[in-house]
Amino acid sequence: KAGVTQTPRYLIKTRGQQVTLSCSPISGHRSVSWYQQTPGQGLQFLFEYFSETQRNKGNFPGRFSGRQFSNSRSEMNVSTLELGDSALYLCASSLTGGFSYEQYFGPGTRLTVT
Amino acid sequence: LAKTTQPISMDSYEGQEVNITCSHNNIATNDYITWYQQFPSQGPRFIIQGYKTKVTNEVASLFIPADRKSSTLSLPRVSLSDTAVYYCLVGDGAGGSYIPTFGRGTSLIVHP
Repeated sequence: KAGVTQTPRYLIKTRGQQVTLSCSPISGHRSVSWYQQTPGQGLQFLFEYFSETQRNKGNFPGRFSGRQFSNSRSEMNVSTLELGDSALYLCASSLTGGFSYEQYFGPGTRLTVT
Repeated sequence: LAKTTQPISMDSYEGQEVNITCSHNNIATNDYITWYQQFPSQGPRFIIQGYKTKVTNEVASLFIPADRKSSTLSLPRVSLSDTAVYYCLVGDGAGGSYIPTFGRGTSLIVHP
């Protein structure tokens, strides 16, 4: 079974621009979560989508948004990029999400904002 | 938000058993405790999950005391390839939402 895939793997953007990252979950998984990983803050939860609906959201500004399509693929968008948005963005999928779930992570998208 | 605390780093030698403890004093009734392993430039990889008492799989054991305020990941007979960062994850169900909260991670270095 193919794992979680994320595209692109690397991205360089300029302050003020916006960016869209893509995630394809494992086949059959309906929950997709997004995380931001930085050396300073560690792994932080952004949001979770399940059946095309945002089910949970972390403590990030509204510049961070996402969506999920009917095939469970998900995208996240960051508008008006700031230098502090430079991070590894990880996508994780699971069968149903919720309180008890094993997440499968993708390799991440390394975003650099200059 | 639920907060987890782990040691920042640990050192061990090949063949030894390694125990990494995570504190989660505010764990909620519905929260499970999950441990992940992460190598550089890769996403975290699931190791083990439990709710209470002891869980064992082919790679690790997880010990959870009755009060569930902490958990210990046990790696038997580590090898060099176990050098990685280990994360403890609990869910935060406060306010009706589920916010997975990772610890800051424990960097384990296994020496020959």
